[in-house]
Amino acid sequence: QKEVEQDPGPLSVPEGAIVSLNCTYSNSAFQYFMWYRQYSRKGPELLMYTYSSGNKEDGRFTAQVDKSSKYISLFIRDSQPSDSATYLCAMSATEYGNKLVFGAGTILRVKS
Amino acid sequence: GAVVSQHPSRVICKSGTSVKIECRSLDFQATTMFWYRQFPKQSLMLMATSNEGSKATYEQGVEKDKFLINHASLTLSTLTVTSAHPEDSSFYICSAGGQGWPEKLFFGSGTQLSVL
Repeated sequence: QKEVEQDPGPLSVPEGAIVSLNCTYSNSAFQYFMWYRQYSRKGPELLMYTYSSGNKEDGRFTAQVDKSSKYISLFIRDSQPSDSATYLCAMSATEYGNKLVFGAGTILRVKS
Repeated sequence: GAVVSQHPSRVICKSGTSVKIECRSLDFQATTMFWYRQFPKQSLMLMATSNEGSKATYEQGVEKDKFLINHASLTLSTLTVTSAHPEDSSFYICSAGGQGWPEKLFFGSGTQLSVL
């Protein structure tokens, strides 16, 4: 079993839709939960991160962490064609030196 | 924002040759740099962590003698794939961390290595 599971998609939605991206994990030691956006053949860029459980909102993006279920989500409201990219979840724990463990990434396509 | 420059973006080489990939932090001092490889439709897998002036720490299963990492300064780390073989073909990405984690962790644009 992988430490972090993420459906690779692709996920195709019409412009303006609400997008839900999710990851599950197995290691209860994870404390930091990140979402990265990666365009084709580029390095990932950090969108948002959350420490421990709870929600965090930044503009059209909302990150949720449910540690009891070992489940994290990223919601994108009013999706735009420019949101089309691969979204990677990543997690880390202080006891592991803050090394990131990534999900496989979900390919998102927003159609205009 | 901060920029991490990775070079080259693409390299094709013959089997048995060595390839060097550079990772530079352009506007901040990177105390720690990380090297990942990524296969198509798969996760980024951490290969090694390097701190300036000390030997790199390799993840389990990564051959130290095959993937040589040098972090000689606070702005430059290099990954050398020695005696490359077709199975080493992959997308290699570096990241550099400054003060303030995880906001100050930035990724390079990656290097697509193809070994013929």
